[in-house]
Amino acid sequence: DAGVTQSPTHLIKTRGQQVTLRCSPKSGHDTVSWYQQALGQGPQFIFQYYEEEERQRGNFPDRFSGHQFPNYSSELNVNALLLGDSALYLCASSLGMGPGELFFGEGSRLTVL
Amino acid sequence: AQSVAQPEDQVNVAEGNPLTVKCTYSVSGNPYLFWYVQYPNRGLQFLLKYITGDNLVKGSYGFEAEFNKSQTSFHLKKPSALVSDSALYFCAVTSSSGGSYIPTFGRGTSLIVHP
Repeated sequence: DAGVTQSPTHLIKTRGQQVTLRCSPKSGHDTVSWYQQALGQGPQFIFQYYEEEERQRGNFPDRFSGHQFPNYSSELNVNALLLGDSALYLCASSLGMGPGELFFGEGSRLTVL
Repeated sequence: AQSVAQPEDQVNVAEGNPLTVKCTYSVSGNPYLFWYVQYPNRGLQFLLKYITGDNLVKGSYGFEAEFNKSQTSFHLKKPSALVSDSALYFCAVTSSSGGSYIPTFGRGTSLIVHP
């Protein structure tokens, strides 16, 4: 049973560039959430996708956008990168939008120079 | 608004001794509480959760947690620590108020188990 997979695992970008991160949820899961984890911090919620729509959004600017595909996989896009966007980006999947546990991928480490 | 406090940045314990990692929370409505563990350069792994029922929750790898409503706490415990338990531990809380179940995570507590 495949767990949550994310790509790429590491990437380096320069300020002003754009980045796309990808996530495949755990088999059977239909809901994908994205989190940003800065060094030494807990995960901060970016947004949640269910049925190909953004359902909830955290306190992140519009530079952060996403998409969910019919196969439940998801993308996170960040435009106009800032140095402060450097972080580990975590994708988490779940079954539905209830209070169940989240299954996390290993993350995409983004460094902005 | 919901919040989680993990008052200790780091907890040190000798192998074989009991361990406790503290967590307090604040929510409107009934809380749903979680513990996750993160090993270096990895994602978070679910350990256990409290939704309703028995205040003592048992989870993976011998961990357990006790829900205390009056003290708004959900401390993580293990009777006998292993060196392999050394990792970063996150407490998270959500509730049914507001119509969504997006969890809020604490800042994490680094557990170091010494041989």
